[in-house]
Amino acid sequence: SQTIHQWPATLVQPVGSPLSLECTVEGTSNPNLYWYRQAAGRGLQLLFYSVGIGQISSEVPQNLSASRPQDRQFILSSKKLLLSDSGFYLCAWNRGRFTGELFFGEGSRLTVL
Amino acid sequence: AQKVTQAQTEISVVEKEDVTLDCVYETRDTTYYLFWYKQPPSGELVFLIRRNSFDEQNEISGRYSWNFQKSTSSFNFTITASQVVDSAVYFCALSEGPSGSARQLTFGSGTQLTVLP
Repeated sequence: SQTIHQWPATLVQPVGSPLSLECTVEGTSNPNLYWYRQAAGRGLQLLFYSVGIGQISSEVPQNLSASRPQDRQFILSSKKLLLSDSGFYLCAWNRGRFTGELFFGEGSRLTVL
Repeated sequence: AQKVTQAQTEISVVEKEDVTLDCVYETRDTTYYLFWYKQPPSGELVFLIRRNSFDEQNEISGRYSWNFQKSTSSFNFTITASQVVDSAVYFCALSEGPSGSARQLTFGSGTQLTVLP
């Protein structure tokens, strides 16, 4: 069966520090991968998606970046965090057509102080 | 532009009560998909249902049922005989276009459902 894992689960970082959130999918190959952010009291906002190794599409301009160094690994990064980067980050995957049926990880809660 | 409105921010019910979560959407497309996701306290979103714009049949899955009405642009979700384990944030979402792409997925702001024992 397929599983998706994110880490770390929680992270407290000072403003201006770097960020690295990792997401790994197991039990499938060539998944479409997504990074979402969930701000408090709001819905989910798509940040990045990837259809393959090294292929990243950005949906929202910001100081975050994403990379896909391996087929089932998706990384969300920042060189310098802002206060506004605080939130709950969710990784998700699906296969085949870009259907809206997504499988989500457990999320990573980031607090920027 | 597409938009999803979940006007109910929080709902509390007592166990065994029925509860309906409202979802109203806006789109100019004639072809689109609607979704419901559940986010339990553990954090991960769980897919519940996908419905395309050409299928207005209501759907029932156990204690869950969905009422899709194009005339009012609504896709409401009802839980019958609610249980404490139903406590979660529920998201309605819309994707325009023929494929229901996740890239065009717009989420509502969610409804926090609390089921009290």
